[in-house]
Amino acid sequence: SAVISQKPSRDICQRGTSLTIQCQVDSQVTMMFWYRQQPGQSLTLIATANQGSEATYESGFVIDKFPISRPNLTFSTLTVSNMSPEDSSIYLCSVRAKIGFGYTFGSGTRLTVV
Amino acid sequence: DAKTTQPPSMDCAEGRAANLPCNHSTISGNEYVYWYRQIHSQGPQYIIHGLKNNETNEMASLIITEDRKSSTLILPHATLRDTAVYYCIVRVSADSSYKLIFGSGTRLLVRP
Repeated sequence: SAVISQKPSRDICQRGTSLTIQCQVDSQVTMMFWYRQQPGQSLTLIATANQGSEATYESGFVIDKFPISRPNLTFSTLTVSNMSPEDSSIYLCSVRAKIGFGYTFGSGTRLTVV
Repeated sequence: DAKTTQPPSMDCAEGRAANLPCNHSTISGNEYVYWYRQIHSQGPQYIIHGLKNNETNEMASLIITEDRKSSTLILPHATLRDTAVYYCIVRVSADSSYKLIFGSGTRLLVRP
């Protein structure tokens, strides 16, 4: 299965600032997914990032708050903009590298907004 | 919204089989059932998936009912390291992609 590297692994940020999270995959993948996991909760899908097109956002998530880039088939970034303490969560990227196999998840970025 | 419902918590004794149920009564004919687990502070780990036939791999077995409205994940010999949150997921097709929409999961505690 694919190997995902997410950076940073954790960060503490001031409210009102923005943080960009990077997701690097060791193989080319068509679709990449970004999730949010709030403290003690399950994972919520933020958006699907396709190379060469605009990301598709789930209900409740908007591009102005969570802009996504997908410049090539192995890399994507998620930016959390104008952060507030409510954005404190773990953010994870995921890919489906190969038909017949499961989706692989990164180890996540633990964000704390103060 | 997630298409699955699971009990919030379960426990089993080490060395015994752990049977985790999942209801997905609104599943469509071409939607797969996936199981993942998440150990504290780690990303979700793939366990197994299936469409309508029972499946087995080195980690677990997946039993899907004939009407596909429910399934059971079986860990044949649970160990303490199997303590985790287990997610049953129906993969949905939308916007030209296949997406995993997570439900609330089952917190499994394996007792010594």
